[in-house]
Parts: sequence; structure tokens; C-alpha cells
Amino acid sequence: EDQVTQSPEALRLQEGESSSLNCSYTVSGLRGLFWYRQDPGKGPEFLFTLYSAGEEKEKERLKATLTKKESFLHITAPKPEDSATYLCAVGTWESSVSGGYQKVTFGTGTKLQVIP
Amino acid sequence: GAVVSQHPSRVICKSGTSVKIECRSLDFQATTMFWYRQFPKQSLMLMATSNEGSKATYEQGVEKDKFLINHASLTLSTLTVTSAHPEDSSFYICSARRGQGNRESQPQHFGDGTRLSIL
Repeated sequence: EDQVTQSPEALRLQEGESSSLNCSYTVSGLRGLFWYRQDPGKGPEFLFTLYSAGEEKEKERLKATLTKKESFLHITAPKPEDSATYLCAVGTWESSVSGGYQKVTFGTGTKLQVIP
Repeated sequence: GAVVSQHPSRVICKSGTSVKIECRSLDFQATTMFWYRQFPKQSLMLMATSNEGSKATYEQGVEKDKFLINHASLTLSTLTVTSAHPEDSSFYICSARRGQGNRESQPQHFGDGTRLSIL
């Protein structure tokens, strides 16, 4: 069974204090790993897709990296507006009688709070 | 790009009412749309997956007669909560995804959710 585990569950940082969020996965045949940001009362906002080990993507203060077992979301010099829940999800391919379909498994998220 | 609009954002209604929620992909054609339910301080719970022009696939434990899903076009899916009761109160979120290949997964793009409150 595909499993996605995010750690820590919650993280409190001082403004400017860099850190990393972890997403560990156990899946058969990774077809993509996704990072999302979710603000309270909103739907998740897409951040990055990573497809192969060694790949990195950056956006402002965020950088996502991928290995064969885990992904990290590095936050450099965070600001209070970076406070949110960050979700990781993995995509795999499931075979079926009709050919197959993409399956996505979400982690439970890391709630980040950045204090001024 | 990849904007998904969900409407309404909030609904408050009496028990027994049926409520329809719309999900539109505004700038791309969504082969597949998803409906999630999210409880406070918990992650997303997938309710069903719908492909344009075919019946939705419901996750185990989700009543298909209670939660009716229609995906009539490549840009619109609707979720109707029939005869809603207080226990159906929740945050419902839709997402849309461009085509699916068997090599690379495409990301889902989410709407802003609908807060449903049944009195």
C-alpha cells in the first residue's frame, strides 16, 4: 500500500530562521511528487511537481528536492506570510481492467507558523 | 494558468435540503475532476473521482446516492449533497487535472472550497 508521511506535524519558526519540511514515501513506481500550500479555509495551492531523484525546483523562498525515498521542502529566511499548511502528495499509476489510472496519495501535512 | 473556480464558497441551509456545488476549470480542459472532504485540522479525504462523460468512481464508504457527481463537460463538475443533514456539514473541495498519461502524473489544481453548514 502506498504511504506518504510528512514531518514534523507542526513547525514554529522565527522570521528568518531557515528550515526544512520532510515528505517520506513508500510507493511502487513514483510518477510524480507534488507540493501544495493550504491556507485556512482555502483549497490547496499548487507549488511544485518533481518527477525524478535529484530534481530540484525553486520558487521565491521555497526549494523542493527529491530523492528515491523522500522529498524536502526547504524554506529560506521565512516570513510570516509563509505560514500555512504544506501538503505533499505522490502520484502513481494503478493498472486496472480498463487500462489504468493515475492515483494520488496525500500526506497529512505540516503546519508551519512563522513568528515575526 | 490552471485556475479552478468553486461556487458557492459558503452555504447554510436547513436539514433535508439538497445542495449543489459547482467546480469549473477556467483555463484548461480537465479530463479528471476530484471531490474531497476536509474535516477541521485534518488532511484531504478523497470522496470520488470523475472523468468527463462517465460515471464517477466513489471511494469506499462514500454513499453515491447521497453525493451525486456529474461531470458533463471538460470544464465543469458538480457535486449535489442530497437531503443534507447536520453530519454532512463540512468543507468540500474540488480539484481538476489535465489529461492522464501512464508515464508522468499531472498535478491537481484545487478550488477554494465550499463550507457547508446544515442546521
